[in-house]
Amino acid sequence: KAGVTQTPRYLIKTRGQQVTLSCSPISGHRSVSWYQQTPGQGLQFLFEYFSETQRNKGNFPGRFSGRQFSNSRSEMNVSTLELGDSALYLCASSYLTGGTGELFFGEGSRLTVL
Amino acid sequence: QKEVEQDPGPLSVPEGAIVSLNCTYSNSAFQYFMWYRQYSRKGPELLMYTYSSGNKEDGRFTAQVDKSSKYISLFIRDSQPSDSATYLCAMTGRTGGYQKVTFGTGTKLQVIP
Repeated sequence: KAGVTQTPRYLIKTRGQQVTLSCSPISGHRSVSWYQQTPGQGLQFLFEYFSETQRNKGNFPGRFSGRQFSNSRSEMNVSTLELGDSALYLCASSYLTGGTGELFFGEGSRLTVL
Repeated sequence: QKEVEQDPGPLSVPEGAIVSLNCTYSNSAFQYFMWYRQYSRKGPELLMYTYSSGNKEDGRFTAQVDKSSKYISLFIRDSQPSDSATYLCAMTGRTGGYQKVTFGTGTKLQVIP
């Protein structure tokens, strides 16, 4: 069974640009959650999508957005990038919503903002 | 104050030692408690998943939950160099109207041969 696939793995952007990250969940999983991981803050919840609907959202500004497609693949977008957006962005898929099931993580997309 | 507090370490122990990793939390709504392990340049993977207070054992790993004290622990017996990783506690509960997972910041463990 293929795991969670995130693309791209590494990317470098400059302040003010925007970025789109992609996540393909495990086949059969309808829940996709996104997390931002930084050394000081750890894993911080961005949002969760389940069956194309955003179920929950963390405390991030509106520059962070996401969506989920009918095949459960998900994308997240960060507009007007700031230096503080440099982080590892992790996607996790699950069969159940709301964190009641095991989260399966991808290897992440490491974003560097210059 | 964070909902979940975890000592970031790093924690360095000799091979064969017993390791104790801990988290405290403040949200009484947390119902499910998990430990994830994250190797360098990889995503976290689930180690242990518990629902109630008490102990759960899986091989060299034991997860302990004390809901009355809002305290969870992960014990690793006979630690191996391959256990060197960052360990993240995680809890699921209803916050802000929806159920979601809240992670600790992670403890970096190094097991020295």
